[in-house]
Amino acid sequence: NAGVTQTPKFQVLKTGQSMTLQCAQDMNHEYMSWYRQDPGMGLRLIHYSVGAGITDQGEVPNGYNVSRSTTEDFPLRLLSAAPSQTSVYFCASSYSGREPQHFGDGTRLSIL
Amino acid sequence: QQPVQSPQAVILREGEDAVINCSSSKALYSVHWYRQKHGEAPVFLMILLKGGEQKGHDKISASFNEKKQQSSLYLTASQLSYSGTYFCGTEIESFGYALNFGKGTSLLVTP
Repeated sequence: NAGVTQTPKFQVLKTGQSMTLQCAQDMNHEYMSWYRQDPGMGLRLIHYSVGAGITDQGEVPNGYNVSRSTTEDFPLRLLSAAPSQTSVYFCASSYSGREPQHFGDGTRLSIL
Repeated sequence: QQPVQSPQAVILREGEDAVINCSSSKALYSVHWYRQKHGEAPVFLMILLKGGEQKGHDKISASFNEKKQQSSLYLTASQLSYSGTYFCGTEIESFGYALNFGKGTSLLVTP
C-alpha cells in the first residue's frame, strides 16, 4: 500500500494563478482532510470530507475549494493564489472519525 | 478554536520525563496526539476517547479529563528519538470528526 500520496511535493506559483494539489489514498478510508501548516501556527484545518460526495469547511477555508467524487481522491484547488497561501499543505485520511489519521508527505507551496 | 498546548518548548536530557498539556474551551469527544519531526509528516501516537478508551503507542501514556476538557501526554525515560514537535488534535462537534490541532510543543532530547 502506498498510503496517502500527495503531488506535487514542491510548487512555486505567481500571484493570481490557480492550481490543484492532489491527494490520493489506497486504504479505502472514508475520512479525508486538508491542513495547512505555517511556522508557529500548528496544523489548521482547511476542508474535510466524511465520504464521497460530502465535503465541509474547516477553520480556514477561504480561497480554497475541494471536491470528493471518489473515495480515493480529495483534490484541493487554489482559485487565485495569494502570497498568504504560501505554506506546507498536508492531506490526511482515516478509516473513521476516531481512528488514527494517516498523513501524506506534504506539498510545499510558495506564491510569489 | 485551536486547543492550547503547554509548554511551547521543552529541553530534556536523555532519560528524563516530560508532560505536555492540551486544553480546549469546547467540549471534546476525543483527543489525538501526533509527533512531527522536522521536514516530515505528523505521525500518530495516541487517541483518547470520551468514556476512557485509548488507542495507541505502547511506550507513551496519556490522560483525558473530559470535565476539564484537558489532556496530558506523558513521556517517561525520554530517548533521543522522542525529539520533535508534538501536536494535540481535538475533535469538536462543529467540525464533525475532523481534528482541530494545537500550535505544537517542541521537544528536544539531548544526550
